[in-house]
Amino acid sequence: DAKTTQPNSMESNEEEPVHLPCNHSTISGTDYIHWYRQLPSQGPEYVIHGLTSNVNNRMASLAIAEDRKSSTLILHRATLRDAAVYYCILSITFGNEKLTFGTGTRLTIIP
Amino acid sequence: NAGVTQTPKFQVLKTGQSMTLQCAQDMNHEYMSWYRQDPGMGLRLIHYSVGAGITDQGEVPNGYNVSRSTTEDFPLRLLSAAPSQTSVYFCASSYTGGPAYEQYFGPGTRLTVT
Repeated sequence: DAKTTQPNSMESNEEEPVHLPCNHSTISGTDYIHWYRQLPSQGPEYVIHGLTSNVNNRMASLAIAEDRKSSTLILHRATLRDAAVYYCILSITFGNEKLTFGTGTRLTIIP
Repeated sequence: NAGVTQTPKFQVLKTGQSMTLQCAQDMNHEYMSWYRQDPGMGLRLIHYSVGAGITDQGEVPNGYNVSRSTTEDFPLRLLSAAPSQTSVYFCASSYTGGPAYEQYFGPGTRLTVT
C-alpha cells in the first residue's frame, strides 16, 4: 500500500491559518487522498478528501500538488477545538476497506 | 440519526474470557469495519464487511471473529481474551466500500485485559 509521511507535531496560534503537509510520493494514479482527525478520547472524524483537484468544504481546504506526490490540509482559521491528531490517508480504488492510518500530526493550538 | 453507536464504552476482562463488542449504525450503510488503536499509534483494520452476510479480514484479524446478519449491526467477538488485545476499538461505517466515500466512526470501546 502507498504510504504517507507527516510531521509528528505542529503548533499554531488561535485564529490563524494552519497548513498541515503530507507527502505521498508512491501514490498511484487512482488513489484518493483522505484526511481524518481525532480529537482527544474520540473516534476519528472525516475532514476532507480529493483525487486531483483542490477541494473545499465547511471544515477545511485540501490542496493537492500537480504531481500528486504531496498535499496540504488547510484550516483557514484555527480554533481551540481544532486541536487534534490529523491523519493523511490514501485509499486504493477497489475499496476503502484498506484505509491505513499512520501516526498522524498532533496539532496544538496556542490561545 | 444516532450515527454509529458502540457498547460498552469500557470493559475489563480476565485472560481467557470471551465477550462481544457491539456496533450499530442507523444510516443504512453497506460497509462496516472494526479498527483497534493502541497507545500512541494509528488505527489498524481488524475485519470489515461490504454488506449483510459478507465479511473479510483486515490487517490484524487474529483472535477476533465477526458476522454481519443485518445491515445495521456488526458485532466483534473476542473468543479468548489476551493481554495483547488491550486497546481501544472503533467501529466505522460508510455508504459503500468505495474510495470516494467518507467513513463515520463510533466513539470507541476501551478494553483492558488483565
